[in-house]
Amino acid sequence: GAGVSQSPRYKVAKRGQDVALRCDPISGHVSLFWYQQALGQGPEFLTYFQNEAQLDKSGLPSDRFFAERPEGSVSTLKIQRTQQEDSAVYLCASSHPGQGSGPGNTIYFGEGSWLTVV
Amino acid sequence: AQSVAQPEDQVNVAEGNPLTVKCTYSVSGNPYLFWYVQYPNRGLQFLLKYITGDNLVKGSYGFEAEFNKSQTSFHLKKPSALVSDSALYFCAVRDDGNNRLAFGKGNQVVVIP
Repeated sequence: GAGVSQSPRYKVAKRGQDVALRCDPISGHVSLFWYQQALGQGPEFLTYFQNEAQLDKSGLPSDRFFAERPEGSVSTLKIQRTQQEDSAVYLCASSHPGQGSGPGNTIYFGEGSWLTVV
Repeated sequence: AQSVAQPEDQVNVAEGNPLTVKCTYSVSGNPYLFWYVQYPNRGLQFLLKYITGDNLVKGSYGFEAEFNKSQTSFHLKKPSALVSDSALYFCAVRDDGNNRLAFGKGNQVVVIP
């Protein structure tokens, strides 16, 4: 697709419920990132994939958070037993290594999945 | 560790006046600096970046930013602000060997007609 696509855009979950957030990156993009943005804050890094390999998951806040990208394209962020503090916007982003050297690659973000835990 | 500081919570500017949004950074290696804009209920849109070369970087929608190594700053500027520039602006940094972008807390820009 033309941009990073995320679904659902809005999700209301009851406390304790499991949720799954989907990300479809820009076609051909090797790198995929998940970020969490709390209300009034900047995005915070959660995890990073290069193709299907999860190279960095140091930002995941607890073992209730799990991300996968089994075929190196679509990714899913799963949150188990949701808590109120999980309420945030979850942003997916992707980049292509061909656009300049590693750290200089532009990262393109999706519209986000807005999660509210009640 | 890499970090970004955006010292002002909100920037108010009259339409047609110059707009500046401040950003300072801290990295252990070479800095790679980015500006993003976020409109209400939307994701982050890339504006511009500094990798190497000219300190003045031009980006989308008439925005530009100046990299200043001695002051570790990367301020965003626009010569003449539009009402439609009202949004949340984020500065972000990466350094060598680091895949993650570190973001500042963001600056709300309000352009007054």
